[in-house]
Amino acid sequence: DTAVSQTPKYLVTQMGNDKSIKCEQNLGHDTMYWYKQDSKKFLKIMFSYNNKELIINETVPNRFSPKSPDKAHLNLHINSLELGDSAVYFCASSQGTRTDVAFFGQGTRLTVV
Amino acid sequence: AQSVTQPDIHITVSEGASLELRCNYSYGATPYLFWYVQSPGQGLQLLLKYFSGDTLVQGIKGFEAEFKRSQSSFNLRKPSVHWSDAAEYFCAVGASAGGFKTIFGAGTRLFVKA
Repeated sequence: DTAVSQTPKYLVTQMGNDKSIKCEQNLGHDTMYWYKQDSKKFLKIMFSYNNKELIINETVPNRFSPKSPDKAHLNLHINSLELGDSAVYFCASSQGTRTDVAFFGQGTRLTVV
Repeated sequence: AQSVTQPDIHITVSEGASLELRCNYSYGATPYLFWYVQSPGQGLQLLLKYFSGDTLVQGIKGFEAEFKRSQSSFNLRKPSVHWSDAAEYFCAVGASAGGFKTIFGAGTRLFVKA
């Protein structure tokens, strides 16, 4: 069983569209994260949820909206997609609010054309 | 502000040779330090971590790292590299300001030649 799974793995879409990326973890963790990795491999945290409550919200455009229906899921919805949103998005989870044993998903490669 | 610097964008070593990947951090307090590995098309996997105590930490896959406070460094080492170690390696520091979050370095790509 995959510990942290993201869907889809690849997403190609046109500018202006709205898209969602789903993430699920079966580890029983109470904290989940979204990271963005740009073309230069630079990895930066976007959001963090603990027990469905938002605890970290970095400087991310309002077009990005995370939603956590329960502890095991953290979805990322993106409105009005722009070229600059093209990146690999990683979901991760950990027990507690420290990322010392964060488990990462395999990533979703988003390409905006 | 917290930051992590990995001076080497890429490194090439021969299989069986030793490896050292450099990492320098900037953080006001005692840091939590991590090394992650990312294989092509995969997510990140935690190799090892340092919170406190012994400054030489052992990780998975035969890796180790040494925390040197005086040099603000946390270099990753492996005595003998295997071809399967070819991947991207990320050093990271855990920061607790404004909610705990991990700040990653830009990564070092390791190439292993036969």
